[in-house]
Amino acid sequence: KQEVTQIPAALSVPEGENLVLNCSFTDSAIYNLQWFRQDPGKGLTSLLLIQSSQREQTSGRLNASLDKSSGRSTLYIAASQPGDSATYLCAVEEYGQNFVFGPGTRLSVLP
Amino acid sequence: DTGVSQDPRHKITKRGQNVTFRCDPISEHNRLYWYRQTLGQGPEFLTYFQNEAQLEKSRLLSDRFSAERPKGSFSTLEIQRTEQGDSAMYLCASSLVNNNYGYTFGSGTRLTVV
Repeated sequence: KQEVTQIPAALSVPEGENLVLNCSFTDSAIYNLQWFRQDPGKGLTSLLLIQSSQREQTSGRLNASLDKSSGRSTLYIAASQPGDSATYLCAVEEYGQNFVFGPGTRLSVLP
Repeated sequence: DTGVSQDPRHKITKRGQNVTFRCDPISEHNRLYWYRQTLGQGPEFLTYFQNEAQLEKSRLLSDRFSAERPKGSFSTLEIQRTEQGDSAMYLCASSLVNNNYGYTFGSGTRLTVV
């Protein structure tokens, strides 16, 4: 059974810092890995999708990498802003299965 | 149609009542998923449809829960005889079969059972 963990559980940084969020999964035979952002009381907003054949994806200040062999993904946020404050969720999909989510990292960027 | 729509956004109900939620997926998406999320946790899978067929149900989906997607378009999730433990955010997502673009989630329905 696929299990997803995320470290740290919570993170507080001053504005302008570069930061890294970590995601680990137990079964490396994944099809897709997707990073989401969730604001309090809201739904999920997709940030980046990495397919199994890819090693990284970039969108603006966000960069996500995938290392299937070690069961890890990282989300790098450059030059953090207060508007980046949210919970970041990692989800992995095995072929023909649904996405399994991690518990999330709660990020606070202080002005 | 630019996203996944869920209705209602919030629902407060008394214990023992039945509730029904609706999800309208992105029109060209043939897969539709229901997830449940409790405070401080990641979403947990409940069930999914490909077109009108319900292909998988989690053991979290007790016999008080039923989901339908009668014409392969919108879906409903009904909870009968609600319990306080059903209080959660119910999230709907849709995707294409080959899922090369990942999931698109709706804004969710927050259920509070009092």
